[in-house]
Order: sequence, then C-alpha cells, then structure tokens
Amino acid sequence: SQTIHQWPATLVQPVGSPLSLECTVEGTSNPNLYWYRQAAGRGLQLLFYSVGIGQISSEVPQNLSASRPQDRQFILSSKKLLLSDSGFYLCAWSAAGGTNYGYTFGSGTRLTVV
Amino acid sequence: QQQVKQSPQSLIVQKGGISIINCAYENTAFDYFPWYQQFPGKGPALLIAIRPDVSEKKEGRFTISFNKSAKQFSLHIMDSQPGDSATYFCAASIEIKAAGNKLTFGGGTRVLVKP
Repeated sequence: SQTIHQWPATLVQPVGSPLSLECTVEGTSNPNLYWYRQAAGRGLQLLFYSVGIGQISSEVPQNLSASRPQDRQFILSSKKLLLSDSGFYLCAWSAAGGTNYGYTFGSGTRLTVV
Repeated sequence: QQQVKQSPQSLIVQKGGISIINCAYENTAFDYFPWYQQFPGKGPALLIAIRPDVSEKKEGRFTISFNKSAKQFSLHIMDSQPGDSATYFCAASIEIKAAGNKLTFGGGTRVLVKP
C-alpha cells in the first residue's frame, strides 16, 4: 500500500532562518506531488506541484521554492523565512495517468516563524 | 473558471441531524468531484467522491448529490455525530497532462455537531 511521510510535524523558526521540509511517498512510482499551505482557519493554497523528477511548477510567487531530487521525494525550502510564512504545510500525492484519483495528504507540518 | 465556491463557511447541527454543504463550479471540464474531511492538526482525508455521470453516491451516512446542469454538488451527512465535527472541503479535478490531476478546492466548511 502507498504511504506518505512528512516531517517534521512542528517547527518553530526565527525570521530570516532557512527552511527545509521533506515529503516522501512509498509504494508507488512516478507520483504527482504537491505542496499546499493552509493558514489558520483558512482553505488550501496550492504552492507547488511536480509531475516528475526535476519538474516543478509554482502556483504563486513567494519566498519559497520546491525541489524533487528523487522520484518519490519532494522538498519545500526557503533561504530566509518571513513571518508571513507561518502556517500548516501539507504535502500530497496523486497517481499519474488518466485515472484522475483524488489526492492523499500527509499529516502536515505546523510552521511558526517568530 | 477554476473556482469552486463552497457554502456555508460554518454550520452547527444537533446530534442526529443532517448537515448539508454546497459547492458550485464554473468549469464544465471538471470530471471528478471529491470531498475531504479534515480534523484539527491533521491533513485532509478523502471522504467520498463522485463523477459527473451519476447524480448521487452514498457511502454510509455520507451522500454526494450532483447536479450537472446546475454545476452544483453537495455533501449530506445523515444522523450527524459529534465525531463528524471537522472541516469539510469540496474539490473538483481536471486532468492536465503537464500537471497531473489538478484539484481545485473550495474554501471549506467547519461543521460542529452538538451532543
């Protein structure tokens, strides 16, 4: 069966510090991968998606970047965090191809920038 | 055209009552409509989904009603229980070769079931 792992679960970082959040998927090949951010009490904002190694698309301009160094690994990064980067970050995967399945989300990372 | 509008933003229902959440979309190319349930501090989990070739799908106490001509779909939670208290998101999907099956989410509905 497929599983998605996301870490860390919580993170408190000072303004101006770097960020690296990691997401890995097991039990599937060539998944579509997604990074979402959810502000407190708000909806889901798509940040990045990837349909293959090294292929990253950005949905909104921001202080963050994403990379996909391996087929089932998706990393969200920042060189210098801003207060506005605080939020709940969610990684998700979906099956590639024409089956149009829904997403499976990870358990999320609660990031607080202080 | 990519928007999915969800209402209400929040609702309170008594235990045993019916919770109804509505969503509307514009893009007729959407071909997959899932609902997600999210508990505080957790990632959303797929609850139930429907394709536009059927008008209703039921799984346990959860039912999706789909109206293709009106471009609307809704989630009904029958016999609501306190454990159903969560935030619910509707979504719509379209297959895009360069982006996989890209989901567009509604804004979410916070449901509180009172005992």
